[in-house]
Amino acid sequence: KQEVTQIPAALSVPEGENLVLNCSFTDSAIYNLQWFRQDPGKGLTSLLLIQSSQREQTSGRLNASLDKSSGRSTLYIAASQPGDSATYLCAVRNTGANNLFFGTGTRLTVIP
Amino acid sequence: NAGVTQTPKFRILKIGQSMTLQCTQDMNHNYMYWYRQDPGMGLKLIYYSVGAGITDKGEVPNGYNVSRSTTEDFPLRLELAAPSQTSVYFCASRTDSNQPQHFGDGTRLSIL
Repeated sequence: KQEVTQIPAALSVPEGENLVLNCSFTDSAIYNLQWFRQDPGKGLTSLLLIQSSQREQTSGRLNASLDKSSGRSTLYIAASQPGDSATYLCAVRNTGANNLFFGTGTRLTVIP
Repeated sequence: NAGVTQTPKFRILKIGQSMTLQCTQDMNHNYMYWYRQDPGMGLKLIYYSVGAGITDKGEVPNGYNVSRSTTEDFPLRLELAAPSQTSVYFCASRTDSNQPQHFGDGTRLSIL
């Protein structure tokens, strides 16, 4: 069974700092990996989706990388802003499966 | 284009009561999902559907039932509510294999 881990559980950084969020997974037979953002009391918003054949995806200040063989993905946020404060979730879809396996998330606080 | 709409947003039930959580999407997505999110835990898949008339169990289906009579609607039913079903429930949908899942804002359910 796929296990997805996100460390740290919480992170506080000053505004303007670059930061990296980590995600690891136990089964490398993945189809794709998604990073989501969740604001308090809200649903999940998809940020980036990386196919298993890709190494990275970029959207604005966000860059997600994927190393399938080592079971790791990172989400890089450049020049962090207070509006980036949220919980970031990583989710993996296995090859041949229809559902996602989620990590428990990293709660990010960007301090003005 | 409303996306994924969940109703109600909040509900308190007594043990043993039943209720239906509604989910509808207007994006003509074939794939729909129900997840639950417990505090400090990742999202767990309850049931999913790959199209109208087809449903399948996820990781934690016990105590729940679903139906998919139309492409748009995917209701989740709790027959005999138990305190262990206190959670936040999210519905999601997607189109084809390479697209991200879109989430509703969730239903916060408390069973007392």
